[in-house]
Amino acid sequence: DAKTTQPPSMDCAEGRAANLPCNHSTISGNEYVYWYRQIHSQGPQYIIHGLKNNETNEMASLIITEDRKSSTLILPHATLRDTAVYYCIVSSQGGKLIFGQGTELSVKP
Amino acid sequence: GAVVSQHPSRVICKSGTSVKIECRSLDFQATTMFWYRQFPKQSLMLMATSNEGSKATYEQGVEKDKFLINHASLTLSTLTVTSAHPEDSSFYICSAERDRGVEAFFGQGTRLTVV
Repeated sequence: DAKTTQPPSMDCAEGRAANLPCNHSTISGNEYVYWYRQIHSQGPQYIIHGLKNNETNEMASLIITEDRKSSTLILPHATLRDTAVYYCIVSSQGGKLIFGQGTELSVKP
Repeated sequence: GAVVSQHPSRVICKSGTSVKIECRSLDFQATTMFWYRQFPKQSLMLMATSNEGSKATYEQGVEKDKFLINHASLTLSTLTVTSAHPEDSSFYICSAERDRGVEAFFGQGTRLTVV
């Protein structure tokens, strides 16, 4: 079973920030938080990952709470092409990625 | 990011035949690859872990004799669906990790339709 809990769906206005929450209260000390997204009929796309510290790359920012029991993926300026299912996954390095149901993000004009 | 390629992207086969799907890491070596299956409107389900040079490890409920996995080199893993039936119709996706890497990269998926 997936070790994370995400809202099933969210809407976001184009150009605004999309903040996608994830709860992972049973995360272990050596487990990373990974975010992937899947656009319809494609393979998942890697977005970002983190262990303890907040992370930022060209796609998104990842904010991890101090107790590591939850995190938020931030897409700073959502576009219509960001419409996808977003998956939050916790796993150790080299470990299996077990997908939950994810959050279906709809970016609207 | 790293590139993982699957072939074919779509395949239609007759019931009772076998189908081979290839997963290649194009610009890195992958000691471990993973195979997933995804039915419509569902999430990805992990089928097996493929390790270069050794037998694959299958998840509970996945028939190893039906879904044959071979990982003969550091850049290629294959999944063969044997004696395919209509209920095997699905979206099959592979992923690969760089050696000593952290993140995994996914192929574009293979849509299998068994008629």
